[in-house]
Amino acid sequence: AQKVTQAQTEISVVEKEDVTLDCVYETRDTTYYLFWYKQPPSGELVFLIRRNSFDEQNEISGRYSWNFQKSTSSFNFTITASQVVDSAVYFCALSEALGGSEKLVFGKGTKLTVNP
Amino acid sequence: DTGVSQDPRHKITKRGQNVTFRCDPISEHNRLYWYRQTLGQGPEFLTYFQNEAQLEKSRLLSDRFSAERPKGSFSTLEIQRTEQGDSAMYLCASSSTGTKFPYEQYFGPGTRLTVT
Repeated sequence: AQKVTQAQTEISVVEKEDVTLDCVYETRDTTYYLFWYKQPPSGELVFLIRRNSFDEQNEISGRYSWNFQKSTSSFNFTITASQVVDSAVYFCALSEALGGSEKLVFGKGTKLTVNP
Repeated sequence: DTGVSQDPRHKITKRGQNVTFRCDPISEHNRLYWYRQTLGQGPEFLTYFQNEAQLEKSRLLSDRFSAERPKGSFSTLEIQRTEQGDSAMYLCASSSTGTKFPYEQYFGPGTRLTVT
């Protein structure tokens, strides 16, 4: 069975601090996909990144970076020099490649508050 | 290019009433998903359609829930005899099988249901 665990329920930082959001996943498949979504107070889920299980290369996009480690089943997300606009709930999600539906299994989310 | 839209955005109903929600996916997206999100949790998969065919339903989708996508465009989700436990945000997402797998899901703003 698939499972995504985001152990950090809430994180509060001061603007310009770096912050890392943890994500640990479980799956029996060898081919799978990992995602991060952002949910601002408005409620709409915003796609941030997709990573497949064969590509462990870390990725950087502006102030965002992602660290995928298959050995520890983790897909952590770091925001560098955080800003107030980064305040949101962030969800990590998993999709198995062979299931057909590509349905997303989400973690419970981490609420990030960036204070000025 | 308009995104996924959902109507209504908010619905308050009394226990025992029936409610129906509508989702309009991004045009030309052939896959449509319904998820449910309760307070403090990540979204949970309910069901999905490819064109007009409903291909998978979660065990979360009790007999009181029914979803349709009659012409492969918009979809409706109906809940009969609502219960207080149905109070949640109902999210719709769409994707296209014409893009690279896994097909990125774009989410709508959700319909928040409150059952009193």
